[in-house]
Amino acid sequence: DTGVSQDPRHKITKRGQNVTFRCDPISEHNRLYWYRQTLGQGPEFLTYFQNEAQLEKSRLLSDRFSAERPKGSFSTLEIQRTEQGDSAMYLCASSPRLDTQYFGPGTRLTVL
Amino acid sequence: AQSVTQLDSHVSVSEGTPVLLRCNYSSSYSPSLFWYVQHPNKGLQLLLKYTSAATLVKGINGFEAEFKKSETSFHLTKPSAHMSDAAEYFCVPGGYNKLIFGAGTRLAVHP
Repeated sequence: DTGVSQDPRHKITKRGQNVTFRCDPISEHNRLYWYRQTLGQGPEFLTYFQNEAQLEKSRLLSDRFSAERPKGSFSTLEIQRTEQGDSAMYLCASSPRLDTQYFGPGTRLTVL
Repeated sequence: AQSVTQLDSHVSVSEGTPVLLRCNYSSSYSPSLFWYVQHPNKGLQLLLKYTSAATLVKGINGFEAEFKKSETSFHLTKPSAHMSDAAEYFCVPGGYNKLIFGAGTRLAVHP
């Protein structure tokens, strides 16, 4: 059983560019979560999906952020017009139900 | 809703000595409580989970935690620290759609 995978692991971009991250959950986990973690802080919830339905979004998820899970399997998180304040580790987690969340290794975004 | 307080932002121990990371919770209703560990530049790994089936929970890498209702605590312990235990540790309430993390406790292990 493979764990949660995320791609890319690192992304460096210039301010104003768009970026997209991918998360592949553990197979058959119907819940998928996105978190953001800045230096020295704990992860902050961004959004979660149950199957393909996006059921909750944090107010941290501004209009520049969009997440999808089109077939209820992998998910993408897109950030448009990146800002330096978007620099963070973006973490994905999955769970089979309202239960333990298993995290991926994260994507570290640096916006120059 | 359940919330937790990690009482120490930093803990420093010598290799081979016991580890105690303190976590207090706010509510007598606790569907679940987790301890996660995060090594530098890595994702989070589940150490252990409390679900009311047993008050003493054993986790990976020799860690354990005891749910004490009388003290509203769920402290994480390990008898003997190893250099590889140096990391950030998070006590997190579960049973909800999202996990709410605090700032965590940074554990340093010295030779």
